[in-house]
Amino acid sequence: AQSVTQLDSHVSVSEGTPVLLRCNYSSSYSPSLFWYVQHPNKGLQLLLKYTSAATLVKGINGFEAEFKKSETSFHLTKPSAHMSDAAEYFCVVSGLEGGSEKLVFGKGTKLTVNP
Amino acid sequence: EPEVTQTPSHQVTQMGQEVILRCVPISNHLYFYWYRQILGQKVEFLVSFYNNEISEKSEIFDDQFSVERPDGSNFTLKIRSTKLEDSAMYFCASILEAGTFYEQYFGPGTRLTVT
Repeated sequence: AQSVTQLDSHVSVSEGTPVLLRCNYSSSYSPSLFWYVQHPNKGLQLLLKYTSAATLVKGINGFEAEFKKSETSFHLTKPSAHMSDAAEYFCVVSGLEGGSEKLVFGKGTKLTVNP
Repeated sequence: EPEVTQTPSHQVTQMGQEVILRCVPISNHLYFYWYRQILGQKVEFLVSFYNNEISEKSEIFDDQFSVERPDGSNFTLKIRSTKLEDSAMYFCASILEAGTFYEQYFGPGTRLTVT
């Protein structure tokens, strides 16, 4: 069965400092991996996705993530946090388990950006 | 940019009552999904729907739940007799084609409160 573990439920950074949100996954198959962001009272928006092409994936708003198969990780990073990055971030895995496209979500990491 | 919409944004109902949550997926999308998120817990897959049929459902999606695409635009989730534990945020999503390479587009969610 597929699963996702987000190692931090809450991360707090200062504006202008790097962001690291950690994610580990478990899958019997070659997974597709996603990061979604949810701003307050908004829907889930895709930040980036990994689908077995380049292991370093660039997304919107300066975010990127690196797929490391040996570590079963897909950590999300950004060099310099903005106030507008404050939101909840979800690491998500999909795929290929019996041909299912359903998404399996991590518990989410709430990012706080301090001025 | 096309988006998935959901109504209402917040629904309060009494235990035992029927509720219908409505979603309008992106117009040319073919696959539709419902997910839910109980407060403080993970986003969980409920059901996927394609070609007017359920293609996959989770253990959560029991006989109290049903989905329908009554016309060419709406996609609904019905809960026949609500329980306190049905209180959650319900997200609708749609995708253009099958396959984990494609992004699922999410609506803003309906917060269901069962009293």
